[in-house]
Amino acid sequence: DAGVTQSPTHLIKTRGQQVTLRCSPKSGHDTVSWYQQALGQGPQFIFQYYEEEERQRGNFPDRFSGHQFPNYSSELNVNALLLGDSALYLCASSSSRHEKLFFGSGTQLSVL
Amino acid sequence: KQEVTQIPAALSVPEGENLVLNCSFTDSAIYNLQWFRQDPGKGLTSLLLIQSSQREQTSGRLNASLDKSSGRSTLYIAASQPGDSATYLCAVWNFNKFYFGSGTKLNVKP
Repeated sequence: DAGVTQSPTHLIKTRGQQVTLRCSPKSGHDTVSWYQQALGQGPQFIFQYYEEEERQRGNFPDRFSGHQFPNYSSELNVNALLLGDSALYLCASSSSRHEKLFFGSGTQLSVL
Repeated sequence: KQEVTQIPAALSVPEGENLVLNCSFTDSAIYNLQWFRQDPGKGLTSLLLIQSSQREQTSGRLNASLDKSSGRSTLYIAASQPGDSATYLCAVWNFNKFYFGSGTKLNVKP
C-alpha cells in the first residue's frame, strides 16, 4: 500500500517564477493538507482540501493556491515566487478532516 | 489563536536513558494531539495520536500523555537508542487546523 507520494523531491526556481507541486494521498484517504516548513521550524498550515474544495486556509497570501482532483490527488501552486518561499513543502492526507495525519517526504523548494 | 511550544529545543542523552519531551498549548479546546518524528530533510512520521477524551497512548517504548486542562502533553521514550535520534514534533487539532510546535531535536549518543 503506497503511502503519501509527492513530486518532485527537489526544485530550484528563480524569483518571480511560478511552481506546481503534486501530491497523491494514501489509499483510502480523501482529505489533503499542505504545509510549509522553514529550516528549524515546525510545519505551517497552508490549506486543506476535501471533496475538491478548499475547506480551511492558514495565514498565506493568495499567491498560494491549490486544487484537488476527483481521485483525491492535489496540487499546490505558488505564483510570483519570493526568496522567502524557499522551504520544505509537505503534503499530508487523512481519512477525514481531523484524524491521524500521514505525511509525504516533501518537496524541497529553493528560490534563487 | 493556538500557540504550541516545545521544550527543550534540543536534547542530548547517552544511550539507554529514559527521557521526557514536553509540549504545551495555549487553547485547551483541542480535538486531538499527535506526536511526530522527523528525520533530517524528510517528511513526518506519526508516532502517537491522543484523542481529547483520552489521557495517554502507548506504542512500544513510547508513551504519550495528555492533560487538556493544563494545556500540556509529554512524550516519554524508554531506554533510548541511537536510532531514536531525530526531531520530535507535537501538533494539536483545533479551529479545524493542525498547529505544530517547533520540535525538540534529540541526539542519543552511543
